[in-house]
Amino acid sequence: AQSVTQPDIHITVSEGASLELRCNYSYGATPYLFWYVQSPGQGLQLLLKYFSGDTLVQGIKGFEAEFKRSQSSFNLRKPSVHWSDAAEYFCAVGRSGSARQLTFGSGTQLTVLP
Amino acid sequence: DAGVIQSPRHEVTEMGQEVTLRCKPISGHNSLFWYRQTMMRGLELLIYFNNNVPIDDSGMPEDRFSAKMPNASFSTLKIQPSEPRDSAVYFCASSSSGRTSGSPYNEQFFGPGTRLTVL
Repeated sequence: AQSVTQPDIHITVSEGASLELRCNYSYGATPYLFWYVQSPGQGLQLLLKYFSGDTLVQGIKGFEAEFKRSQSSFNLRKPSVHWSDAAEYFCAVGRSGSARQLTFGSGTQLTVLP
Repeated sequence: DAGVIQSPRHEVTEMGQEVTLRCKPISGHNSLFWYRQTMMRGLELLIYFNNNVPIDDSGMPEDRFSAKMPNASFSTLKIQPSEPRDSAVYFCASSSSGRTSGSPYNEQFFGPGTRLTVL
């Protein structure tokens, strides 16, 4: 079965600083990988996704993520964080085939200091 | 499009009562998912439907939980009887299971969730 690990429960950065959120997955085949963001009291919104091809994917709100098969990682990055980026971020892996389930990581809470 | 609609947004009930959560997926989407989010267990998939048919309900915690999708535009998640440990935020998500250009796996769109508190 697939699994996702987000080793950082909480990260604090200053506004304008760069950001990297870690995600490691376990899956036997080529994974479908996603990053979602959840603002307080809201549902999850898709930031970006990776299926195949270029291992560096661009998403919304200036985020990008890089798929590294050798490290089983899909880390999320942003060069300059804005206060509005404060939220919880979830990495997820999807199974190929007919099943459409996503397995989510436990999330990383991002705090942005002024 | 209004997105995925869930009701109620908040529900407070007493232990033993029946609770029904409702979801209206995005029009045209044929896959629907129910998730539960808690601090202890994170985000868990409870059940998902494809073309109104339950495909995988292995995440449903126990027989007190049941879900239905009588048509393409409506689904319910029922808990009977409810218990305090059922307190959580319940999310509904929908997606189109057909292939989009260059994408074998379509995005799930989440509703705002229902915050359930069982006293």
